[in-house]
Amino acid sequence: DTEVTQTPKHLVMGMTNKKSLKCEQHMGHRAMYWYKQKAKKPPELMFVYSYEKLSINESVPSRFSPECPNSSLLNLHLHALQPEDSALYLCASSPSGSSIRDIQYFGAGTRLSVL
Amino acid sequence: GENVEQHPSTLSVQEGDSAVIKCTYSDSASNYFPWYKQELGKGPQLIIDIRSNVGEKKDQRIAVTLNKTAKHFSLHITETQPEDSAVYFCAASKRARFTGFQKLVFGTGTRLLVSP
Repeated sequence: DTEVTQTPKHLVMGMTNKKSLKCEQHMGHRAMYWYKQKAKKPPELMFVYSYEKLSINESVPSRFSPECPNSSLLNLHLHALQPEDSALYLCASSPSGSSIRDIQYFGAGTRLSVL
Repeated sequence: GENVEQHPSTLSVQEGDSAVIKCTYSDSASNYFPWYKQELGKGPQLIIDIRSNVGEKKDQRIAVTLNKTAKHFSLHITETQPEDSAVYFCAASKRARFTGFQKLVFGTGTRLLVSP
């Protein structure tokens, strides 16, 4: 099973709302990632967690707050977002994150619209 | 940092034809080059990858070639089928200096349309 599950599939929120995106994998992977993908653009890395610790933050605004409660779960907490934050948010996982043999497996994404 | 250019941005072929997508990268330290296929409403799915110590890799109708000297790599799809229609992303990866993580940088994508 190489499945990464993301919920919800779609989310509409106002600029004053607080919402969370969830990601789950049961492949025993120890690295998990959040990417942001705008329409007709490639995915852009936001955060990397390794062994449940934040390892990379690509200078993402603080209105995005990641959390890794355990090795299978990854959350992205959203607060006071802007309309330009509307995008497809992708979660990915890989066995370790540091091996050249690592393959990243992506979920289907959460399509976020900020009104 | 790494920069990955991808061409063409769109590619239309007839079923049964071959399709070639080309990417160039800037950082000679990049050592891993995956290709992802993204269908509408789905996340990217790995279709083939190549390591820097290999020049060519083939998997059925799909092949990837790597020229380290020229810093470019290509995806070749033979006998294309309508279900090959999707957006294809190349990526380059290297170990980040301070964290040791393999960080993927994606190309700009190619929209492939295979007409029956």
